[in-house]
Amino acid sequence: EAGVAQSPRYKIIEKRQSVAFWCNPISGHATLYWYQQILGQGPKLLIQFQNNGVVDDSQLPKDRFSAERLKGVDSTLKIQPAKLEDSAVYLCASSVDRLLYEQYFGPGTRLTVT
Amino acid sequence: AQKVTQAQTEISVVEKEDVTLDCVYETRDTTYYLFWYKQPPSGELVFLIRRNSFDEQNEISGRYSWNFQKSTSSFNFTITASQVVDSAVYFCALSEVATDSWGKLQFGAGTQVVVTP
Repeated sequence: EAGVAQSPRYKIIEKRQSVAFWCNPISGHATLYWYQQILGQGPKLLIQFQNNGVVDDSQLPKDRFSAERLKGVDSTLKIQPAKLEDSAVYLCASSVDRLLYEQYFGPGTRLTVT
Repeated sequence: AQKVTQAQTEISVVEKEDVTLDCVYETRDTTYYLFWYKQPPSGELVFLIRRNSFDEQNEISGRYSWNFQKSTSSFNFTITASQVVDSAVYFCALSEVATDSWGKLQFGAGTQVVVTP
C-alpha cells in the first residue's frame, strides 16, 4: 500500500513570495490533515478535512494560508505572502476516519523563508 | 495551555541500556486517546501505539512497552535494550473526543533519544 505522498520535499523562497505544497493521502482515507512543525517543536494542526469539507481550521492563519481538497482526495496548502516565521516542515497526514484510526504521515516539505 | 508535556528534551544512552520517556497530559474529557509517534532523522512520523482512556492495561510490543496511569495522567514509554536504530525524536500526543476536538492530535514537544554504540 502506497503511503502519503508530498511534494516538493524542500523549498526555499524569499519573504513575501508565495508557495504551494501538495499532498496525496493513502487511497480510501477520508480524513486529511496539514500540520506545521517548527524546528524543536511538536507538529501543530493547521487544518483538517473530512472528505472535501473542512472540519477544523481554527489554527490556520487565514490571512496568508489557504488549503483545499476539492475532490476529496489530494490537497494543496498555499502560503501567500510568506513570512520568515513560516519556515518549518509542513506535514500531511491521513486516516481512515476521524479519531478512531491512527494518522499516517507523509515525509513532509521543509520550507525555508529567507 | 499545554495539553501534553514531555519534560525530557534529550536522553542519551549507550546501546543495550533501557530508556524511559515521560509523558504527562491534561484533559477534562473522560474519553480521550493517547498516542506515541517516532520521528527518525528522515522526518516521517511513524505511529507506534494508540491507547484509549478506558484501557489502562499496560502494553508490550517487542522491546517497546507503555505504562498508562490515569491517576497521575501519565503515559510513559520504555525502550528495552536500546539499539542505535532507536535514535529519533519521540512524540506523545493526545486526542480528545469533544466535538470540536474530535480527531485533532495535540503533540508534546518531543524527546530526542540518542543511542550510541
